[in-house]
Amino acid sequence: GAGVSQTPSNKVTEKGKYVELRCDPISGHTALYWYRQSLGQGPEFLIYFQGTGAADDSGLPNDRFFAVRPEGSVSTLKIQRTERGDSAVYLCASSLNSGSTDTQYFGPGTRLTVL
Amino acid sequence: AQSVTQPDIHITVSEGASLELRCNYSYGATPYLFWYVQSPGQGLQLLLKYFSGDTLVQGIKGFEAEFKRSQSSFNLRKPSVHWSDAAEYFCAVGLYSTLTFGKGTMLLVSP
Repeated sequence: GAGVSQTPSNKVTEKGKYVELRCDPISGHTALYWYRQSLGQGPEFLIYFQGTGAADDSGLPNDRFFAVRPEGSVSTLKIQRTERGDSAVYLCASSLNSGSTDTQYFGPGTRLTVL
Repeated sequence: AQSVTQPDIHITVSEGASLELRCNYSYGATPYLFWYVQSPGQGLQLLLKYFSGDTLVQGIKGFEAEFKRSQSSFNLRKPSVHWSDAAEYFCAVGLYSTLTFGKGTMLLVSP
């Protein structure tokens, strides 16, 4: 079956611009996660959704970052007034449920470059 | 707060040789532990996971890992490495529903 997909695969933008990154989870998965992976680092948790609601957004670095999942499926990560430090690979994952033992399946990521 | 340490940034192993990648964690309770592999241009793929029970867990692609509570370690092993195993490997600790990852170990396989 189809895995987690993310679009675009690459995004280049200028400092100060607004960007949206999209994630399509595996069909039927109720939990969706966003992570950010900077160069030379492991992925860092940003936010996760159980259904339509954000269950934990403690990893969002500041209020320029926001994510939605209005219908409990597709999610969009939104970054306002982008900064060069936002350059990273943004990873999305989904799992059947949101328990600690549920396997998270990752998408290929969106590479964001802020010039 | 939980943390994960992967002390080796790079490891080079000859094809056919055995492999051990180290992972140490800091966590107050019994951890949920994971190993993921990331190949260039690919998403993270789960190799194996430990929740409880038998401390030696088997995963995909011939990998195994051993949980040692006394050493706070969860090292990944493979008896014979193949060239296709060259990739970056991440150890992670699960807390509630989120994962905390180490910085990764890049595995290079020499002929």
